[in-house]
Amino acid sequence: DVKVTQSSRYLVKRTGEKVFLECVQDMDHENMFWYRQDPGLGLRLIYFSYDVKMKEKGDIPEGYSVSREKKERFSLILESASTNQTSMYLCASSLFWTTRGYTFGSGTRLTVV
Amino acid sequence: DQQVKQNSPSLSVQEGRISILNCDYTNSMFDYFLWYKKYPAEGPTFLISISSIKDKNEDGRFTVFLNKSAKHLSLHIVPSQPGDSAVYFCAAVSQGGSEKLVFGKGTKLTVNP
Repeated sequence: DVKVTQSSRYLVKRTGEKVFLECVQDMDHENMFWYRQDPGLGLRLIYFSYDVKMKEKGDIPEGYSVSREKKERFSLILESASTNQTSMYLCASSLFWTTRGYTFGSGTRLTVV
Repeated sequence: DQQVKQNSPSLSVQEGRISILNCDYTNSMFDYFLWYKKYPAEGPTFLISISSIKDKNEDGRFTVFLNKSAKHLSLHIVPSQPGDSAVYFCAAVSQGGSEKLVFGKGTKLTVNP
């Protein structure tokens, strides 16, 4: 089975800190995604990448950046964390297309205080 | 503009009865639809999918129905079990398009013993 691993399950950071969320997948998937999940708002796409060093903005990229230097790793960066970035962050990966869509990691619950 | 809508934020059913979760979409280019299940503190997991060339797909207790003319799909769970209590996300994609899944906001299903 494809595994998508997010480096931290829970993080607490201070306002203004630079935060790195790491995601690694082990099945040579081309596509990788970062979402955040908030109550009542569902899954919102922050950024995605369809190849190494390629990235595209999703629906809510403000305050975030990403890095994909290797195919298996996709990092989400909060340049200066703010309290409204407290959320569940979910990484996902996929082949260019499969009938099963994306494989998600277990998520990182980030709290910014 | 929400392209995939799950209008019921929550649903409560008795164990053993049928659960019906609904999803509407507006983009007529969508041709593949998926349902994901998400437990708290975990990532979403793929549940079942359907292509637009079909109107029904069944997998054990789970059946997805697609009504293309109404741009509506539904997930039926029969019989419902307490372990089915989770948030269910509907997702849609245009396979000839961006290949990005568009998610609904989710429906929280509670199955009472």
